[in-house]
Amino acid sequence: DQQVKQNSPSLSVQEGRISILNCDYTNSMFDYFLWYKKYPAEGPTFLISISSIKDKNEDGRFTVFLNKSAKHLSLHIVPSQPGDSAVYFCAASRGSARQLTFGSGTQLTVLP
Amino acid sequence: DGGITQSPKYLFRKEGQNVTLSCEQNLNHDAMYWYRQDPGQGLRLIYYSQIVNDFQKGDIAEGYSVSREKKESFPLTVTSAQKNPTAFYLCASSTQAGGTEAFFGQGTRLTVV
Repeated sequence: DQQVKQNSPSLSVQEGRISILNCDYTNSMFDYFLWYKKYPAEGPTFLISISSIKDKNEDGRFTVFLNKSAKHLSLHIVPSQPGDSAVYFCAASRGSARQLTFGSGTQLTVLP
Repeated sequence: DGGITQSPKYLFRKEGQNVTLSCEQNLNHDAMYWYRQDPGQGLRLIYYSQIVNDFQKGDIAEGYSVSREKKESFPLTVTSAQKNPTAFYLCASSTQAGGTEAFFGQGTRLTVV
């Protein structure tokens, strides 16, 4: 039972355009959501997070949107840069349990 | 520098041998975690520990064992009972406070031949 789903295994966008990565979850108890970026053979690095009490969080070129009624969140990257090319993982946690449940990842390729 | 160190980066073992992966952190984090990543899949939780001398099974604990004798260290042993041990293993740590992210090490690629 996959509680966090990223249905698009890959996404290609042109440099300078917007990248939108999507994530759906099924567990309504999740109250904290995160996005991580990962290069091959390296550990994930934290990008941005959002609490369930918010619907938007912005940090520079990165914005995360949360739609609780749809159990959906998205990561927007504007403008996209070639260095953004990586696998992006969506993750969620609930309550005092800090362990994360991850989606399967989306490979983003930003074309110059 | 503060961070999480996993060693070694690459590890080869013969089938049937136990192997221990090291994870050390100097971030003063209470909680530590082990995840496994397989090609085309997300990270799956093997074990986690929220305080010293205590740990809990994650979603795929079978064939693995851990210990947490010190706050800084959370070694993972891949035993011969693990049917498909070849994978990329990631260690992470976090504070116990709510709304905080986990920090990851650089990972260990284990190949069993």
